[in-house]
Amino acid sequence: QVQLVESGGGVVQPGGSLRLSCAASGFTFSSYGMHWVRQAPGKGLEWVAFIRYDGSNKYYADSVKGRFTISRDNSKNTLYLQMNSLRAEDTAVYYCAKDPLGWLPKGYYFDYWGQGTLVTVSS
Amino acid sequence: EIVLTQSPGTLSLSPGERATLSCRASQSVSSSYLAWYQQKPGQAPRLLIYGASSRATGIPDRFSGSGSGTDFTLTISRLEPEDFAVYYCQQYGSSGHTFGQGTKLEIK
Repeated sequence: QVQLVESGGGVVQPGGSLRLSCAASGFTFSSYGMHWVRQAPGKGLEWVAFIRYDGSNKYYADSVKGRFTISRDNSKNTLYLQMNSLRAEDTAVYYCAKDPLGWLPKGYYFDYWGQGTLVTVSS
Repeated sequence: EIVLTQSPGTLSLSPGERATLSCRASQSVSSSYLAWYQQKPGQAPRLLIYGASSRATGIPDRFSGSGSGTDFTLTISRLEPEDFAVYYCQQYGSSGHTFGQGTKLEIK
């Protein structure tokens, strides 16, 4: 069965950095696109970033462009999100989510989700 | 950016009743790129419907999706106690992925 397990969340000061990881199992990780989606406390869902199956294409929400970097290591079945210049408004639970396809340049929808990791940006 | 507006914000119904949730887009959305998710407190979202009307794996047939263009609907034919949750629609368009603000389905 598909399993996605996020890690790396925590408390960080404004302007700081954090790297999230998502360990994938139960499917051929290298064949599928992957996303990060976040949810601020008590709020709705916001898509953050997408990476194509082979890492050849990356796509970001305007709110994080230039500050966040999505990447993947297909040899380790792991997805990453490097977050720099963090702001209070980046405080959220961050979910990694699998795309049902691998080849679309900007992704499609989210067929499996991890349980999320909480990032808190506060001084 | 395509904005998705869900209505109502909160829907109060009893088990056994029929639920109709609406998702309206600010511009036309390809039906292939409209999905619905269910989220219960403290849990990750779960995919219910993709391509506007196709049920995801393991989703009971009391859940159905319909619509096209700018108006989409999620219908739950007979509510079960486990269906009370928050529901989100999502679209993928040229400006990226966006979600509606959610409809909370609560027990009356």
